[in-house]
Amino acid sequence: AQSVTQLGSHVSVSEGALVLLRCNYSSSVPPYLFWYVQYPNQGLQLLLKYTSAATLVKGINGFEAEFKKSETSFHLTKPSAHMSDAAEYFCAVSAGSGGGADGLTFGKGTHLIIQP
Amino acid sequence: DTAVSQTPKYLVTQMGNDKSIKCEQNLGHDTMYWYKQDSKKFLKIMFSYNNKELIINETVPNRFSPKSPDKAHLNLHINSLELGDSAVYFCASSQSSGSNTDTQYFGPGTRLTVL
Repeated sequence: AQSVTQLGSHVSVSEGALVLLRCNYSSSVPPYLFWYVQYPNQGLQLLLKYTSAATLVKGINGFEAEFKKSETSFHLTKPSAHMSDAAEYFCAVSAGSGGGADGLTFGKGTHLIIQP
Repeated sequence: DTAVSQTPKYLVTQMGNDKSIKCEQNLGHDTMYWYKQDSKKFLKIMFSYNNKELIINETVPNRFSPKSPDKAHLNLHINSLELGDSAVYFCASSQSSGSNTDTQYFGPGTRLTVL
């Protein structure tokens, strides 16, 4: 079984400041990890994913995440926050023995607030 | 063109009714999913389906049933609706069922309100 824990249900940063959203995972098999973003009243959009090719993953909109097996973490960062980054961010893991058909296991989400 | 579409976007209904939510994907994907997002924004897998296999999350009541007329569609039927069914339901699709690395593409969601 796998699980994801996102530390901080709400994170507030100033525009132009570093964004750091934390995600820790638990998995009995090598995990594949995803970050999705959800803007208000919209569906989820993939930001980036870790598929074991490289531990530092670059995604869309200037976001990146680093897979650290020793820390079981996959934190999401962006050097400089923009007002348009305000949204809900979800970390997810896919590690079932049934391949992707088991679906994604999501964390509880982190609401990112950008202060002007 | 919208990759994954859902209808309706909003659905308001009375307890005890039966309703359906439709989902269509034009990506040529083999696997489709239904997720439920509760009022606290927590997302949970309900079903995944391809042309070979239906995988059901064991916590989903049997009042919920997915129906797939063809590979591009996975509709969600809900019988005897209850207040606790109020949520946002998301459909998603991915290219294959054989890889944990496939990206899932999500629809815009259907907000179901049961009165």
